[in-house]
Amino acid sequence: DAKTTQPTSMDCAEGRAANLPCNHSTISGNEYVYWYRQIHSQGPQYIIHGLKNNETNEMASLIITEDRKSSTLILPHATLRDTAVYYCIVSALTGANSKLTFGKGITLSVRP
Amino acid sequence: EAEVAQSPRYKITEKSQAVAFWCDPISGHATLYWYRQILGQGPELLVQFQDESVVDDSQLPKDRFSAERLKGVDSTLKIQPAELGDSAMYLCASSLYGAGSYNEQFFGPGTRLTVL
Repeated sequence: DAKTTQPTSMDCAEGRAANLPCNHSTISGNEYVYWYRQIHSQGPQYIIHGLKNNETNEMASLIITEDRKSSTLILPHATLRDTAVYYCIVSALTGANSKLTFGKGITLSVRP
Repeated sequence: EAEVAQSPRYKITEKSQAVAFWCDPISGHATLYWYRQILGQGPELLVQFQDESVVDDSQLPKDRFSAERLKGVDSTLKIQPAELGDSAMYLCASSLYGAGSYNEQFFGPGTRLTVL
C-alpha cells in the first residue's frame, strides 16, 4: 500500500501557483519524499525529491514540514501543459522500502 | 535527449495467447524496471534488474510472467498465457545507478495491452 495520502483532484487557473498537498505521517527517518507526474498517455516523469529541507528546481518547489509528516509541491506558474496526475511517493535509498510505490495520485487540471 | 524505448506501443491479443514486450533503456543505465499500470491506478513494480540480475521480482506473477535482461542492456517481458486481467499499460523505466544512491527513474511511453 502507498504510504502517502493525496486529494483525488484539484484545479487551478493558468498562470497561478498550484499547491499540491501530500500527507505521509508514517514516513521513516531514512525515507525521501519524491514527486512524479504523468501526463495522459505518457510514462511518469520525475519532478523533484527531498529529505527534510525545502528544494527547488526548474520545474517546481518542494516544501516539507518540520516534522516531515506532510509536504507540498508548488508549481509557481501553472500552464495548460501541467495538467496531469501527480504522485507523491516516500522511499528509502536502500532496503525493502527503496522501491517507488505509486498510489493513485492527484489529478491536477489547469484551466485557461 | 536520450529516451527509454518500448515496443510495441499497442498490443491486442486473445486470452491464452503469448505476448512479449521489449524495452531498450537509456544507454549506460544499470537499473531497469518493469511496471504494470491498470487504468485509474498508479504504476506497480513487477521486476527490477541491476545489470543482468533480478533484484526484486516479488510482485511478478511467476506462473505466467517472465522477464530477462540477458546482456544487461535491453529487456523482454513475456506473458504466457495472457488472461483478461492482464489488460493494462506496461511501463519500462531505467536509472543510472542501483540501490544506495538516489537517481531518478526515466520512463518509456509504455505498451498498452488489451486481452480479448
